Amino acid sequence: GAGVSQSPRYKVAKRGQDVALRCDPISGHVSLFWYQQALGQGPEFLTYFQNEAQLDKSGLPSDRFFAERPEGSVSTLKIQRTQQEDSAVYLCASSLVWGGATEAFFGQGTRLTVV
Amino acid sequence: GQQLNQSPQSMFIQEGEDVSMNCTSSSIFNTWLWYKQEPGEGPVLLIALYKAGELTSNGRLTAQFGITRKDSFLNISASIPSDVGIYFCAGQPQGGSEKLVFGKGTKLTVNP
Repeated sequence: GAGVSQSPRYKVAKRGQDVALRCDPISGHVSLFWYQQALGQGPEFLTYFQNEAQLDKSGLPSDRFFAERPEGSVSTLKIQRTQQEDSAVYLCASSLVWGGATEAFFGQGTRLTVV
Repeated sequence: GQQLNQSPQSMFIQEGEDVSMNCTSSSIFNTWLWYKQEPGEGPVLLIALYKAGELTSNGRLTAQFGITRKDSFLNISASIPSDVGIYFCAGQPQGGSEKLVFGKGTKLTVNP
């Protein structure tokens, strides 16, 4: 597709369950970002990749959160032992240029609900 | 951590009215951005500002990067029903970070 694609669009997880959220960036985009958006709030930065290298993971809230991008294209955000406070929309963005946070295109997000 | 204070939280206006919203910060940002988000969608970039004092327009939208580098405003002129959505300011902090810091958003409702 032409844009950033995220799947699933919606995920309901029982507390304690592990989840994996997928992001397909725009083809050829080297930079990839993950953000977490709680209800009624603005997005909050989680992590940033340049190709396959994770250059900044300062926003990951705990060691239960893990992101990877092994081949420099598709990225997966994994959350282990989900908690209710993890309920949020997880947004992925990609950019053609190195860095490029200010030129990134966002996907539609995955809405995670932990029950 | 760094925070952006965005106001107002919500606005209810009549079609044709002008709208103004702003963001302030206690720290300096290198870049200011304004996004619009509609239900079930990701944020879409409206305007990017890269230089202190810069005033940029995009159709009916005008935004400015404050001289102190700690604030920005967005104006929408002659609002129309499709302007409905949540508008977010975002800033890129000094120091070479690639993360963006977002405000909490301004929810705009336009009555026809």
